[in-house]
Amino acid sequence: DVKVTQSSRYLVKRTGEKVFLECVQDMDHENMFWYRQDPGLGLRLIYFSYDVKMKEKGDIPEGYSVSREKKERFSLILESASTNQTSMYLCASSTRTYGYTFGSGTRLTVV
Amino acid sequence: QKEVEQNSGPLSVPEGAIASLNCTYSDRGSQSFFWYRQYSGKSPELIMSIYSNGDKEDGRFTAQLNKASQYVSLLIRDSQPSDSATYLCAVGLNRDDKIIFGKGTRLHILP
Repeated sequence: DVKVTQSSRYLVKRTGEKVFLECVQDMDHENMFWYRQDPGLGLRLIYFSYDVKMKEKGDIPEGYSVSREKKERFSLILESASTNQTSMYLCASSTRTYGYTFGSGTRLTVV
Repeated sequence: QKEVEQNSGPLSVPEGAIASLNCTYSDRGSQSFFWYRQYSGKSPELIMSIYSNGDKEDGRFTAQLNKASQYVSLLIRDSQPSDSATYLCAVGLNRDDKIIFGKGTRLHILP
């Protein structure tokens, strides 16, 4: 019973391309998050959203934007992909105090 | 800067022994505390949550919280090779729903 679904498991894109990473949750959670995870750096928060059409910057928003038009869907957009955005991208959703449920992750390689 | 600190490891523990994982956090107002397990190449999975001082047991896992010392720990009894993973400590902030993650401790159970 998959609860947080990320559209792609592996993705290879070229430098300068616009990249869309999609995340859908079926738990009716208000809160959704996008992280990237790199060896030695841990999980770093890119953007999060507490409600439809609401978004807030995390710790490393540069080069990224997000969209949340529906409660269940939170999209991460790389406006112009660069090689330093090669990473594992993790989407999560949550309710207050319970903790996050993560998607399976998207490993993005920018060449 | 709010922080969650963990020893990166690797922590090597013989099969059948107790594995003890530790975490400290900087925000004294934190209210929710979590342990996630992450296998290599996979996304984090919530295994324990704790909200009040003391111990919380779930099967072979025990989470311990000491808010006065700003310290959280995870004990794994009767360690199994399948427990070999990276364990992430996460702390919920006082004022909003964001969780701050530590960088994780790599645990290796020796057969």
